[in-house]
Amino acid sequence: DTGVSQDPRHKITKRGQNVTFRCDPISEHNRLYWYRQTLGQGPEFLTYFQNEAQLEKSRLLSDRFSAERPKGSFSTLEIQRTEQGDSAMYLCASSLGDKTYEQYFGPGTRLTVT
Amino acid sequence: GENVEQHPSTLSVQEGDSAVIKCTYSDSASNYFPWYKQELGKGPQLIIDIRSNVGEKKDQRIAVTLNKTAKHFSLHITETQPEDSAVYFCAASIGYTGNQFYFGTGTSLTVIP
Repeated sequence: DTGVSQDPRHKITKRGQNVTFRCDPISEHNRLYWYRQTLGQGPEFLTYFQNEAQLEKSRLLSDRFSAERPKGSFSTLEIQRTEQGDSAMYLCASSLGDKTYEQYFGPGTRLTVT
Repeated sequence: GENVEQHPSTLSVQEGDSAVIKCTYSDSASNYFPWYKQELGKGPQLIIDIRSNVGEKKDQRIAVTLNKTAKHFSLHITETQPEDSAVYFCAASIGYTGNQFYFGTGTSLTVIP
């Protein structure tokens, strides 16, 4: 069990550029979640997948954000036309699903938009 | 949706003393309450959780209590150590649906040696 991994760990980009983050969940975990965390706040839910199906999206996920999990394994989160307000830590979590409730988080990707 | 409030926002204790962090939630349908520890530059780490059919759960120096009637739950850390210093988050969810977690705003705990 290698845990949830995220890549890159840090990303600095200029306003208006597109960025993509990757998350690899714990193997055999069929649920995958994306959260955003700003300084001094708790994580806020963005979206979640059960296998390859995206089942829920937060109103925080504007049309500039898109997430995929094409084969039900790793997931990508893309932000188009980044804005300074997108600067945050983007966290991925995975869960075994079924009757297990626990979510295990990765180390996060810290995005800075200049 | 669910609203989770967490207090205090900062907490300093002497090494060996106990620390208590309290959270309240608003949605009576919430039935799963995890606690996470987050160290600087790292992702949140699950340290203990409780389901709504249980009033208390303990794991070594850490315990969580739940009062469903009052809609509040608490984290208790006994015999604190400097390595307990971190930010602690409570969360609530309707666990069986695979739903999102709603997090509190965090408590920054400092254990003074």
